[in-house]
Order: sequence, then C-alpha cells, then structure tokens
Amino acid sequence: AQKITQTQPGMFVQEKEAVTLDCTYDTSDPSYGLFWYKQPSSGEMIFLIYQGSYDQQNATEGRYSLNFQKARKSANLVISASQLGDSAMYFCAMREGVGYSSASKIIFGSGTRLSIRP
Amino acid sequence: DVKVTQSSRYLVKRTGEKVFLECVQDMDHENMFWYRQDPGLGLRLIYFSYDVKMKEKGDIPEGYSVSREKKERFSLILESASTNQTSMYLCASSFGDRGVEQFFGPGTRLTVL
Repeated sequence: AQKITQTQPGMFVQEKEAVTLDCTYDTSDPSYGLFWYKQPSSGEMIFLIYQGSYDQQNATEGRYSLNFQKARKSANLVISASQLGDSAMYFCAMREGVGYSSASKIIFGSGTRLSIRP
Repeated sequence: DVKVTQSSRYLVKRTGEKVFLECVQDMDHENMFWYRQDPGLGLRLIYFSYDVKMKEKGDIPEGYSVSREKKERFSLILESASTNQTSMYLCASSFGDRGVEQFFGPGTRLTVL
C-alpha cells in the first residue's frame, strides 16, 4: 500500500536560511507523482511543486526545489532563502498510476509545521 | 484562475443532524475529492468522483455519502452527524488525466456538538 511519511512535526528556522523538509514514500507502482503543498494559517492548500517518477531532473519552482532520491524513496522539499511568509504547514503527497483518471487520488503525509524566525 | 468554493467556512451542527457540505468548481474538472483534515493525521480522503454520477470510496468513507449530479458540484453528506466528525473538510478538483495538481477550496470547519 502506498504511504507517505513526514517525520518532522515542527521546525524553526531563521529568516533567510535554507530549510529542508523531509518526506519519504512507499509504493510498488513504477509510475507515480510526488507533490508538496503549503497550508498557511488561513487554511487554503497551495500547490508548490511536482515531481514525476520518470522525471530525470529534480523539479524546481522559484525558491522551491524537490530533492528526489528515487532509490531512497525520498522527496525532500528545499526552500532557499526562507521568508517570514513561508511560515505554514507543509504537506508531502503522492499519486500512483499517473496518467489515468480513476487513479487520480492523492495521499498526504501528516505535515510539517514550519516557523520562520525574524 | 481555478476557483473551488465551499458553501460554508464554519458550521456548527448537533449530533444526529443531517449535514450537507457543498463544493463547486468552475474549471470543468472531471475529478472532485472530499478530504478531512485532523491534527497529526494530515488529509485523509473520504470520497472522490471522476465523472458525473460516479463515485469511489476513499480511505475513510464510513459515516459519509456523496452526490455528484452535475460536473461542477460535489456534495458531501453526513447522514447523522456525530461528534467524531468534528473536523476541517476540504474539497478539491483536478483534470482527469491531463492535470497534475489538485486545486483546493478554502475548507469548512465543522463542529458537531
């Protein structure tokens, strides 16, 4: 069965430092996708970044990058030069069987609460 | 911009009441989803739908039902609300086999007394 694990319930980081949020996953499907979402205190879920299992390069979106280590089944999120507005809950998620609609469901990890100190 | 709206941000109901949570999306997405979010547990999938009148159980469907009569609308129904259904409920939508991400609504915080 597919599973997502986030082992850091909370983190404190100084503003402008880089931060890595850990995520490991487990799946037997060779075709899958990995996501990171941000949830500020207002509650909405904001999509940050996506990595497909067959993508050769690590995904990047502005200050966000996904450190994809397939053999280790890890998909850590790296935020460079953190800002106060990065304080939020961060969820790692996975979707199996990318490419067909009936398998579009995503499973989420338990989340990491990131707090940026000024 | 994709917009997913939910009928209420906050809702308070009594044990045994029938509760309807409505979700509407305006981007012609095939897939729609209902999650509940509880501290320390992340988001757990209740039900999803990949077409009108089609539905599939997620990981925690017990105590819930859904309805999708129109493509843009996906309703979550608590037939007889219980206190353990107090939670944040999030609706999401996505394209069927073209899209990657799910787009989320603002959430409904339901309290069952």
